[in-house]
Order: sequence, then structure tokens, then C-alpha cells
Amino acid sequence: DAKTTQPNSMESNEEEPVHLPCNHSTISGTDYIHWYRQLPSQGPEYVIHGLTSNVNNRMASLAIAEDRKSSTLILHRATLRDAAVYYCILSRNSGYALNFGKGTSLLVTP
Amino acid sequence: GAVVSQHPSWVICKSGTSVKIECRSLDFQATTMFWYRQFPKQSLMLMATSNEGSKATYEQGVEKDKFLINHASLTLSTLTVTSAHPEDSSFYICSASAAGATDTQYFGPGTRLTVL
Repeated sequence: DAKTTQPNSMESNEEEPVHLPCNHSTISGTDYIHWYRQLPSQGPEYVIHGLTSNVNNRMASLAIAEDRKSSTLILHRATLRDAAVYYCILSRNSGYALNFGKGTSLLVTP
Repeated sequence: GAVVSQHPSWVICKSGTSVKIECRSLDFQATTMFWYRQFPKQSLMLMATSNEGSKATYEQGVEKDKFLINHASLTLSTLTVTSAHPEDSSFYICSASAAGATDTQYFGPGTRLTVL
């Protein structure tokens, strides 16, 4: 499986935008880029995913580099409830198990 | 969105007993379910992949006779931890993939197992 690299932790102020980076230089042409997040003592929650084009949904935006070797998850206005571990994962489709790395622990301060 | 439930949400048991954890897809049919476990301050580790009506595929290092997985229907998979020991204490999480879907998996809320 192609691997991803994320910073261990990031910090943001409440109501400010947050850009969470992810490097995936060995991504294959069939790999989707998925983002999940996990709040303390909860199961992971789907955030967003994409293949080549940038994606937006009610939770976040996903910006994918033209060469697909990196991507950025954008939270437009961080809230305290967005404090979680964010995982960037490559997967061909939902029929494959997800390879969770260490993710990025996001701290949001008031 | 699609909902996956787990029961129980937490369980405390004595060493040597068996514990069953249920994972249900509430509003969709799940052809494939995955079981993960997560130790404190660590990431999720895949234990096994379960396809409806067939035997589960276990990851290397996971004892299939200790962690029994049954996926008898398209909405239910169970994980039984047999003869549990304190080192089996962990957060067990299931996820499900909808039949015919290619996009995302849906995760349960997790089950906290504590073995005394």
C-alpha cells in the first residue's frame, strides 16, 4: 500500500482556517485520497475523499496537487469540536481495509 | 449518512471469560466488514476482514482461534474474544463497506474492552 506522511500535530485558533497537509508521493493512479478523523474514545468519522479534482462538502474541502503527490484538508473555520486526530489514507475503494498511520493531532484553542 | 452500531459500547470481564461484540449496519447492506483494535495513544490496527457468508481473513499475528469472527448476514458481524486476558484490553472498532459502493467505509463507535 502506498503510504502517507502527515505532521504529528498542529494547532489552530478557534474560528480560523486550518490547513492539514498530507504527502503521498508513491500514490498510484487508482488510489483515492481519503480523510477520516477520530475524536477521543470514538470510532473514526469520514470527512472527505477525492481522486484528482478538488472536493468540497459541508465539513471540509480537499485540495489535491496536480501531480497527486500531496493533498491538503481545509477546515474553513475551526471549532473546538474539530479537535481530533486526522488521518489521510489512500485506498482504491471501500472494499479494502484502511491503513491508518499516526495521523495529525489537531489542537484547537479558544 | 450510513450508520454502523456496536454493542456493547464498553465491557469489563474477568480473565479467562469470552466476550462477544456485535457490529451492525443499520440502514445499508454490508458485504464487507472490518475489525480493528486500538491500544491507548496508538493508531487503529486491522485485525481481520470479514465477507458475508465466508470465513474471515486475519492479519498476520492475529490468532483466529482467539478472535472468532462471524458475518452471517449482510447487516451483522460479531467478534468473540475467547479466553480473554488483560493484554486483550483494547478499543475494538468495526467498519462496514456498503454493497456496490466504491467510496467510503462507515465506522462503528467502538467497544472498550477491559479484562481484569
